[in-house]
Amino acid sequence: DIQMTQSPSSLSASVGARVAITCRASQSISNYLNWYQQRPGKAPKLLIYAASILQSGVPSRFTGSGSGTDFTLTISNLQPEDFATYYCQQSYSTPPITFGQGTRLEIK
Amino acid sequence: QVQLQESGPGLVKPSQTLSLTCTVSGDSISGGSYFLSWIRQSAGEGLKWIGRIDSSGITNYNPSLESRVTMSVDTSKNQFSLRLSSVTAADTAVYYCASEHYVMVRGLIVSNFDFWGQGSLVTVSS
Repeated sequence: DIQMTQSPSSLSASVGARVAITCRASQSISNYLNWYQQRPGKAPKLLIYAASILQSGVPSRFTGSGSGTDFTLTISNLQPEDFATYYCQQSYSTPPITFGQGTRLEIK
Repeated sequence: QVQLQESGPGLVKPSQTLSLTCTVSGDSISGGSYFLSWIRQSAGEGLKWIGRIDSSGITNYNPSLESRVTMSVDTSKNQFSLRLSSVTAADTAVYYCASEHYVMVRGLIVSNFDFWGQGSLVTVSS
């Protein structure tokens, strides 16, 4: 199985700040990387697919980058609704599809 | 707008079989290839992909659960089903169904989970 490791596991930031979350794959996965946002009690929501393509309806303050084994989700100008948990997910080598352990973004 | 809804018992006894149904609305699963995955989430394992099934009934399972998982489809009802046998407390989780969308990007066919159900909490306890 391909292991997905996110860092940090949690971080705190202020409204208006810019943050970056990284995801590292245990082997190269090209651009087969998606990012999701999950708010408490809700299902994950697709933000970015193919490493850098913004899902329809997602604000442009979310950007994704990377290829191979190292990927980054950057959120600019943090808004109150952005405080949530973020997950990366690979679909390069399946089965199984695998997810990162999550990064919890909290308000400072 | 596509909507997915999980349904099934919230409590299952150890050693018994967990059964869930995912009903799709806003789209026909028989209108072409439709891919549906089951994913569960627990504090101990995070998000774990259980497996996928397409509208023709072809399945792929997570090797770690394969011996206990069965997925099926009923196109007449626009429904998918999950069965997980011989459950233990470790199978306690929120179970999601999610549609898997395939798209070509820069010459690659990639997939993502674009629509999710709201989740169904299943507790394994006597």
